[in-house]
Amino acid sequence: NAGVTQTPKFQVLKTGQSMTLQCAQDMNHEYMSWYRQDPGMGLRLIHYSVGAGITDQGEVPNGYNVSRSTTEDFPLRLLSAAPSQTSVYFCASSYLGGSYEQYFGPGTRLTVT
Amino acid sequence: DAKTTQPTSMDCAEGRAANLPCNHSTISGNEYVYWYRQIHSQGPQYIIHGLKNNETNEMASLIITEDRKSSTLILPHATLRDTAVYYCIVRVSTSSNTGKLIFGQGTTLQVKP
Repeated sequence: NAGVTQTPKFQVLKTGQSMTLQCAQDMNHEYMSWYRQDPGMGLRLIHYSVGAGITDQGEVPNGYNVSRSTTEDFPLRLLSAAPSQTSVYFCASSYLGGSYEQYFGPGTRLTVT
Repeated sequence: DAKTTQPTSMDCAEGRAANLPCNHSTISGNEYVYWYRQIHSQGPQYIIHGLKNNETNEMASLIITEDRKSSTLILPHATLRDTAVYYCIVRVSTSSNTGKLIFGQGTTLQVKP
C-alpha cells in the first residue's frame, strides 16, 4: 500500500492564481479530510468527506473547494490564492467510526506571494 | 468533542521513560482518547488510543485514570527520534462518527542525549 499520497510537495503561487492540491489513498477508506497547519500552530480542519459524493465544511473552509467523485481521491481547490493561505496542507484518511486511526499524507508546502 | 489541556513543552533524557500528561475533565462516556505525534513538520502519526482501560502497543502505553478525566502517554525508552509534538485528542466513537480530529497545540517533547 502506498498509503496517503499528496502532490505536489511544494508549490509557489501568485495572489489570485488558482490550483488544485491532489490527495489519494489506496486503503479503501471512506473518510478523507484536509487540514492546514500554519507555522507554530496545530492542524485545522478545512473540509472533509465521509464517502464519494459527500463533503462537508470543517473549521476553516473559506477560500477552498473540494469534491469526492471516487473513494480514492479527494482534491482541494484554491479558487483565488491569497497570502493568508500560505501554509502546509495535510490530507488524511480513515475508516468511518470513532475508534479508527487516521493516516496522514506527507503534506504540501504552499507559498502565496 | 471534549477539550484537552497539555503542557506546552517537556524534556526527557534519552533512554528514560517519557510521561506526557493530558487533562480532559469534560470527557463523556463514549469519547476515546487518542494520541498522535508530529515529527518536524511531517504528517501526524497515530500512536495509540483508548476508552477506559490502559492500552499498550509497540510504540507506547496509554494510562487513563479511573474517572477518565486525565491520561498519560508513556514512551518507555525515549530516543532522539521521539523528539516531536505530541497531540492528545478526545473523540466520540459511534458508527456514524465523521472522523473529525480537533488538534490543539500539543506538547513539544525534546529528548536530550
